[in-house]
Amino acid sequence: GESVGLHLPTLSVQEGDNSIINCAYSNSASDYFIWYKQESGKGPQFIIDIRSNMDKRQGQRVTVLLNKTVKHLSLQIAATQPGDSAVYFCAESQGGSEKLVFGKGTKLTVNP
Amino acid sequence: ETGVTQTPRHLVMGMTNKKSLKCEQHLGHNAMYWYKQSAKKPLELMFVYSLEERVENNSVPSRFSPECPNSSHLFLHLHTLQPEDSALYLCASSQDPGIGTEAFFGQGTRLTVV
Repeated sequence: GESVGLHLPTLSVQEGDNSIINCAYSNSASDYFIWYKQESGKGPQFIIDIRSNMDKRQGQRVTVLLNKTVKHLSLQIAATQPGDSAVYFCAESQGGSEKLVFGKGTKLTVNP
Repeated sequence: ETGVTQTPRHLVMGMTNKKSLKCEQHLGHNAMYWYKQSAKKPLELMFVYSLEERVENNSVPSRFSPECPNSSHLFLHLHTLQPEDSALYLCASSQDPGIGTEAFFGQGTRLTVV
């Protein structure tokens, strides 16, 4: 079975609100985690990544939090914009990019 | 643009046809990947090439045949496919498969088998 999953298949937010997308993983040996965004008709686009020696990493309007104790990963998007509407995937890896395991994805809809 | 280009963007083929998907990366990466994306399923890794050598083959049926002539190009040769093979086929590249780094994806080829 898959080792990475998401708590919610869909998330709807108002423009300007903050969004939180969650992900659970089961492989405690995973040491690298990554979030991708996929817009309709496009391939997945890298958003942010984090290694297991960190708990938090921030990018532009995005923050990834890693809780290794409960094997939980989250993506926070500040001041969500209509352009953020997409499917968001988390992925985990143990040892290398060739072993990336993807979750099913959460579809984020931003309402104007 | 991500630096990974896939052609064609769309392909419709019969079950007896032979076709090929092409991927080219302009990032100087050492690793290239084929993924299959079906509706409501996670991305499935099919093949991994590192420095033009295949290092991973995730039990993919032989009707899918990859080819990596150099580190910038990757092909997926298709023959006698089944309707359930209809999906979005994504190519990706990364700097080094042995290190956890992000993979850069192409736009994908939407394949329909009729």
